[in-house]
Amino acid sequence: GAVVSQHPSWVICKSGTSVKIECRSLDFQATTMFWYRQFPKQSLMLMATSNEGSKATYEQGVEKDKFLINHASLTLSTLTVTSAHPEDSSFYICSAEGGRVNTEAFFGQGTRLTVV
Amino acid sequence: GESVGLHLPTLSVQEGDNSIINCAYSNSASDYFIWYKQESGKGPQFIIDIRSNMDKRQGQRVTVLLNKTVKHLSLQIAATQPGDSAVYFCAESYIPTFGRGTSLIVHP
Repeated sequence: GAVVSQHPSWVICKSGTSVKIECRSLDFQATTMFWYRQFPKQSLMLMATSNEGSKATYEQGVEKDKFLINHASLTLSTLTVTSAHPEDSSFYICSAEGGRVNTEAFFGQGTRLTVV
Repeated sequence: GESVGLHLPTLSVQEGDNSIINCAYSNSASDYFIWYKQESGKGPQFIIDIRSNMDKRQGQRVTVLLNKTVKHLSLQIAATQPGDSAVYFCAESYIPTFGRGTSLIVHP
C-alpha cells in the first residue's frame, strides 16, 4: 500500500511554545489529508480535513487558530499546535488519500506530543 | 454526522481460536467500509475493505461480512495469533470516521 510518513514520531515541548508536525505522502499525490487526535484508550477523533491549496475544514470544537494546518503541496501537510498547553498532549495522526473514489486512506505512524 | 459504533470494547481469545469483532453502522447510505488495526503507539493499518454490493470478502486469515439489512459489519480472524493483539476499528467511507474500537487480546 501507499506510504504516509509523519515527523517527528514524538516531541516534548514547553507550555506556551508551538510545535509543527509534518505529514508526507511518499509515493503518491495526496489531494486530501486528514488530521486526527487520539487520547489514551480512546478512538481517533477527526480534527480537520485539508485539501491541497485551500483552507482546511475543521471539525466542530476544534480551534482553527490553535491548530494551524497547511497543505501547500500534494505531498505535504503540516499541523502546528500553537501556544501548546499540557491538555494538548496527545497522539496526533495524519492520513492521506489520493483522490480515487472509495479507496482506503493511508495513515502515518503518528506523533506523540507531550507538553510539559 | 451519523455514527459508526462497536458492540464490544474488549475481546479476549486463546491463540489458535477464531475471533469475531462486530461493528454497527447507522448511515444506510454508506457504500464502503474498512477495517483497521491499530497497535499500541502506531497509526491505524488497513486490513480489509468491502463495498456495499458485496456480502463477504476474504483476505489472508481475515473475512469481512456485511449485512446491509441490519447495518452490521464483522471481522473474522482465523487462527488468531499473539501478533493480532491490537485495537480494531471499523470505518465507513474514504474519510474514516472511527467508532470506539475493540481491543483484541490474544493469550498464548
